[in-house]
Amino acid sequence: GESVGLHLPTLSVQEGDNSIINCAYSNSASDYFIWYKQESGKGPQFIIDIRSNMDKRQGQRVTVLLNKTVKHLSLQIAATQPGDSAVYFCAEPIPRSNDYKLSFGAGTTVTVRA
Amino acid sequence: DGGITQSPKYLFRKEGQNVTLSCEQNLNHDAMYWYRQDPGQGLRLIYYSQIVNDFQKGDIAEGYSVSREKKESFPLTVTSAQKNPTAFYLCASSPGLAGAGNEQFFGPGTRLTVL
Repeated sequence: GESVGLHLPTLSVQEGDNSIINCAYSNSASDYFIWYKQESGKGPQFIIDIRSNMDKRQGQRVTVLLNKTVKHLSLQIAATQPGDSAVYFCAEPIPRSNDYKLSFGAGTTVTVRA
Repeated sequence: DGGITQSPKYLFRKEGQNVTLSCEQNLNHDAMYWYRQDPGQGLRLIYYSQIVNDFQKGDIAEGYSVSREKKESFPLTVTSAQKNPTAFYLCASSPGLAGAGNEQFFGPGTRLTVL
């Protein structure tokens, strides 16, 4: 099975509130993690990434936190807006015999209430 | 505009027919990928290619075939051997293989429906 998973399949959040999306991973050797956003009927879009030598990284209205002790990753969205409604995936590179593949979790569907 | 294009956006196929999905990128990326996405599931890797004239099977390659004759093109053929081909197919590319600094950029996807 996949080594990357999300805690909750759905999240409903009031517009203006902060959102927290969680992800658990199992490969302690992973050195890089990515968050993608996928709007309905579209391809995933890169949001933010973080390397394993960091605990926190901030972007525009988004923050990713990495807790290597418990192998947990989270994406925080500040002041959630209607345009944030989408499915959010975390991903990590998984080593294969000669290279890597990107392993995706099942995703969390975020719905923003007006 | 630089990016990845997939065509067509919607595709219908009769059972037993082969069909080819197009993927083109003008990002000058070496690596390209094909994923399949089913409702409520994450992306599953079908095939990937590190360089021209080379490609590798992913996790669910059975019933699919690819070619990489040009750097910018990575077409996927869904053959009649694929038992459950109805899905959303996503193509992606990256400068190199998965890893820091090699984020994958995705196309808009092709929704294939087998009638």
